[in-house]
Amino acid sequence: EVQLVESGGGLVQPGGSLRLSCGASGFTFSNYWMAWVRQAPGKGLEWVANINQDEREQYYAGSVRGRFTISRDNYRNSVYLQMNSLRAEDTALYFCARDDIAGSTKAFDVWGQGTMVSVS
Amino acid sequence: DIQMTQSPSSLSASVGDRVTITCRASQSFSGWLAWYQQKPGKAPKLLIYKASTLENGVPSRFSGGGFGTEFTLTISSLQPDDFATYYCQSRGPLTFGGGTKVEIK
Repeated sequence: EVQLVESGGGLVQPGGSLRLSCGASGFTFSNYWMAWVRQAPGKGLEWVANINQDEREQYYAGSVRGRFTISRDNYRNSVYLQMNSLRAEDTALYFCARDDIAGSTKAFDVWGQGTMVSVS
Repeated sequence: DIQMTQSPSSLSASVGDRVTITCRASQSFSGWLAWYQQKPGKAPKLLIYKASTLENGVPSRFSGGGFGTEFTLTISSLQPDDFATYYCQSRGPLTFGGGTKVEIK
């Protein structure tokens, strides 16, 4: 079964840091781009960052550029989001998603259940 | 930055109704447009990609259309399982629409 499982969320003070993890299974992780997408409480979806297969390409939304860093470990089938200088507006449910940008859908075709980050 | 504007932001409909949601882009883009369905407390689910191609396993009552800067998601006969929030998403650049909540009338 294709699956993504996020972890690492929690409550953090403004200005603090947090590292999210996402473990993948059921597919060849190293063949895919991966992404993080967030959803503030009661709000819509917001793309945060994505990363290519060998980490050479990383892209960020303007709202997090310079504060967040996406990375991956293909041996551990995991993708990470290091979040620094956190702000109240970063409070959201953070989803890990498989990004099929190089495939036929060019969409986020597999999603985890999300991990909640609260900045207060 | 590109803006993806969905309309309506919410709608009330009955089982069996035909429902159409529109997504308008503020500028031209690659044309790769996806639609997702999200139920409360759940992750989004990919329904349609490349504007009109149904993802595997998605019921045929869902269809997508449009080109340029205006795209649509249509549910031909609304079913109880379809009450959810729907999002469009562009590629190149990558942006989500604000969402359309489909509620029971």
